[in-house]
Amino acid sequence: AQKVTQAQTEISVVEKEDVTLDCVYETRDTTYYLFWYKQPPSGELVFLIRRNSFDEQNEISGRYSWNFQKSTSSFNFTITASQVVDSAVYFCALSEPHNQGGKLIFGQGTELSVKP
Amino acid sequence: ETGVTQTPRHLVMGMTNKKSLKCEQHLGHNAMYWYKQSAKKPLELMFVYSLEERVENNSVPSRFSPECPNSSHLFLHLHTLQPEDSALYLCASSQDPSGGLKTEAFFGQGTRLTVV
Repeated sequence: AQKVTQAQTEISVVEKEDVTLDCVYETRDTTYYLFWYKQPPSGELVFLIRRNSFDEQNEISGRYSWNFQKSTSSFNFTITASQVVDSAVYFCALSEPHNQGGKLIFGQGTELSVKP
Repeated sequence: ETGVTQTPRHLVMGMTNKKSLKCEQHLGHNAMYWYKQSAKKPLELMFVYSLEERVENNSVPSRFSPECPNSSHLFLHLHTLQPEDSALYLCASSQDPSGGLKTEAFFGQGTRLTVV
């Protein structure tokens, strides 16, 4: 069965600290996609990254970086030098290509609070 | 501007009312989704439409009735709801070339529904 686990329900850091959000997934498929979304207080989910299962290269985008490790079924997200505007709920999600319609399986989300 | 617009943003309705949620996407996508986000729960997929055809219905009660008149519009018709149906209802769209690579889903800002 497909499953996404975000064990950290809430994280609180002080501005400029680095923070890592954990994501562990389960799937029987060899081909799949992993996503991270950010949900600010306004409600919409903002797409951050998509990674396919054949690309284990880590990615960096500004202060954001992602560490994909198939061996541990993890896709962790690190924010470097956090800022107050990073405060939001972050969701990790899994999608399998054979699922018609592109169904996303979401984790429970991690609420990040960055304090000044 | 996310490209996916949901109206209304907030809705309060009595258990005997009938109301509809509207979603419109301006991205040229061919798949649209309804998700429910309740407090402290992962996002739950409710309905998937691909090429205007419903391809998934995750055992959603019949008091929720989706409608997809064209690839740009998606409705969720509500009637005789229960207080436990109070939640944030999120619409999303993506490009879904069935059997091929899926794109990321883009989400609207959601409708905050309160059933009294």
